[in-house]
Amino acid sequence: NAGVTQTPKFQVLKTGQSMTLQCAQDMNHNSMYWYRQDPGMGLRLIYYSASEGTTDKGEVPNGYNVSRLNKREFSLRLESAAPSQTSVYFCASSEGISAPTQYFGPGTRLTVL
Amino acid sequence: DAKTTQPPSMDCAEGRAANLPCNHSTISGNEYVYWYRQIHSQGPQYIIHGLKNNETNEMASLIITEDRKSSTLILPHATLRDTAVYYCIVNDYKLSFGAGTTVTVRA
Repeated sequence: NAGVTQTPKFQVLKTGQSMTLQCAQDMNHNSMYWYRQDPGMGLRLIYYSASEGTTDKGEVPNGYNVSRLNKREFSLRLESAAPSQTSVYFCASSEGISAPTQYFGPGTRLTVL
Repeated sequence: DAKTTQPPSMDCAEGRAANLPCNHSTISGNEYVYWYRQIHSQGPQYIIHGLKNNETNEMASLIITEDRKSSTLILPHATLRDTAVYYCIVNDYKLSFGAGTTVTVRA
């Protein structure tokens, strides 16, 4: 099992460009999450999907959109990237929304110039 | 509002027990205490969680005070590979990661 995979690993964008970060899990988990981590800080929740077909805002949703494509995949889209969105983005999944354990992917390191 | 308070850093000698404190004085009755760690910018890794009772697994032990206002994560025999940032989290499913404690295990 690969667990949680994320693509791409690294990305550099110019201000105003758009892109989609991909996340997939092979653990048959119901819930998936997107976090961002700025240098020297903890993770902050952007959006989450409690189950297939549902998405909800987290702590810092502005500037992002998400799509729960199916049970396996949860994508994060930046429509018009800004330098403030330079960060490391982590995807995670869990069996259910109240499950104690979230499994994290390796992260995508995004730089917006 | 930060729900937990952790020391910013601590050192530990290899082979010794590492005791990581966490204060969570505003914890509510149905909130669990979770511990995760993050090794060198990798994705966070779940360690352990508990509600009221002390818990132990293959990685660590979690001691929660009777009033649930604080807890301690114990790494029984720290190794160099345990060097990481450790996060104490009190919440429901919306994990809220603070700054954590940077633990450095020294040979």
